[in-house]
Amino acid sequence: NAGVTQTPKFQVLKTGQSMTLQCAQDMNHEYMSWYRQDPGMGLRLIHYSVGAGITDQGEVPNGYNVSRSTTEDFPLRLLSAAPSQTSVYFCASSIIGWAGPEKLFFGSGTQLSVL
Amino acid sequence: DAKTTQPNSMESNEEEPVHLPCNHSTISGTDYIHWYRQLPSQGPEYVIHGLTSNVNNRMASLAIAEDRKSSTLILHRATLRDAAVYYCILRDAVTSGTYKYIFGTGTRLKVLA
Repeated sequence: NAGVTQTPKFQVLKTGQSMTLQCAQDMNHEYMSWYRQDPGMGLRLIHYSVGAGITDQGEVPNGYNVSRSTTEDFPLRLLSAAPSQTSVYFCASSIIGWAGPEKLFFGSGTQLSVL
Repeated sequence: DAKTTQPNSMESNEEEPVHLPCNHSTISGTDYIHWYRQLPSQGPEYVIHGLTSNVNNRMASLAIAEDRKSSTLILHRATLRDAAVYYCILRDAVTSGTYKYIFGTGTRLKVLA
């Protein structure tokens, strides 16, 4: 059981480049989300999704796009990378119970550096 | 949105109990209290959650104040492997129509051998 898989683990970009961070889960979870974690800081929610075709903004959505075409995948797109987007990115997923999302399962993260 | 307040850091001796506090004075009636921890260089992992009653599992216990304005995560015997950042989170109420887990800065627990 792979759980939540994030690729790549490391990435270096130049300012202005675009890229997609991949996130896939094999637990049939309806809920998926993306966080960023700057050095020495807590996690900040970027975007989340409650099912295929449904996405919503989190705390810090600017500069990022998401889509959810399947239950399994939730890619995060940086259209024009900026140095301020240098961070570790975590993807998480959860089932949605009768009271909403339950416990989150996290991937191992993608460390992104923008020069 | 309801917020949580945690101490920035705490220390504990190995094999002693640890009580990690969390204040959430603006909690709403349907907010669940979740705890996660993040070991060095890893993604966060779920520890425990509860609504009103105290909860126990193999990792920890969660004690929730009667007025629900505070809670305490209890590690019964700290080990060196418990050194991590512990996050107390209020899962946004279903009635608000949002499904956001908002993490704060957490408490960095240092366990002394």
